[in-house]
Amino acid sequence: GEDVEQSLFLSVREGDSSVINCTYTDSSSTYLYWYKQEPGAGLQLLTYIFSNMDMKQDQRLTVLLNKKDKHLSLRIADTQTGDSAIYFCAESILGILTGGGNKLTFGTGTQLKVEL
Amino acid sequence: GAGVSQSPSNKVTEKGKDVELRCDPISGHTALYWYRQRLGQGLEFLIYFQGNSAPDKSGLPSDRFSAERTGESVSTLTIQRTQQEDSAVYLCASSFPGYYGYTFGSGTRLTVV
Repeated sequence: GEDVEQSLFLSVREGDSSVINCTYTDSSSTYLYWYKQEPGAGLQLLTYIFSNMDMKQDQRLTVLLNKKDKHLSLRIADTQTGDSAIYFCAESILGILTGGGNKLTFGTGTQLKVEL
Repeated sequence: GAGVSQSPSNKVTEKGKDVELRCDPISGHTALYWYRQRLGQGLEFLIYFQGNSAPDKSGLPSDRFSAERTGESVSTLTIQRTQQEDSAVYLCASSFPGYYGYTFGSGTRLTVV
């Protein structure tokens, strides 16, 4: 079955690195994602990783995937106050929905608070 | 349009009333999804549209929930006889078919009092 778990809160100082962790259960996952949600806004896709990759770097963001342990992490370098938000981990299996749609299964989100 | 647009952004309704939530996806995105986000929880899948048909409705929580889509564009999610447990943020997303990620709208916050 599908289940995605994340810790609820993370607090860091501005300029430090943040690491947000996620575990998932479905070994058939094709893609894994990180979304960011700011107050009153929808979810913004930050980055994603294909399941046959171990790492992906995109500017200040580094995604690490340990497929054996079903563990995904998001590292934000030089964390800024503008990074304060809720971060959602999600997994998907392409075409899993009837009709070929892609169902994303989300974790409950990690609230990142960046302190000065 | 440039993004996924949802309306209204906020809706307060009395228990027992019907509500309609609207989603206007990105032009050309034939795949459309509705999700629900309850307070402090992750997103729950509700329904998937490909074009105007809804091949997967497996996430709709009860027969009080229905959705339709017309012109491969606007979708409406209808909740009949609303209950307090329906209070949540309802998010719409769209994508090209088979594309790995969605673009989400900013959601409709529904409060049933």
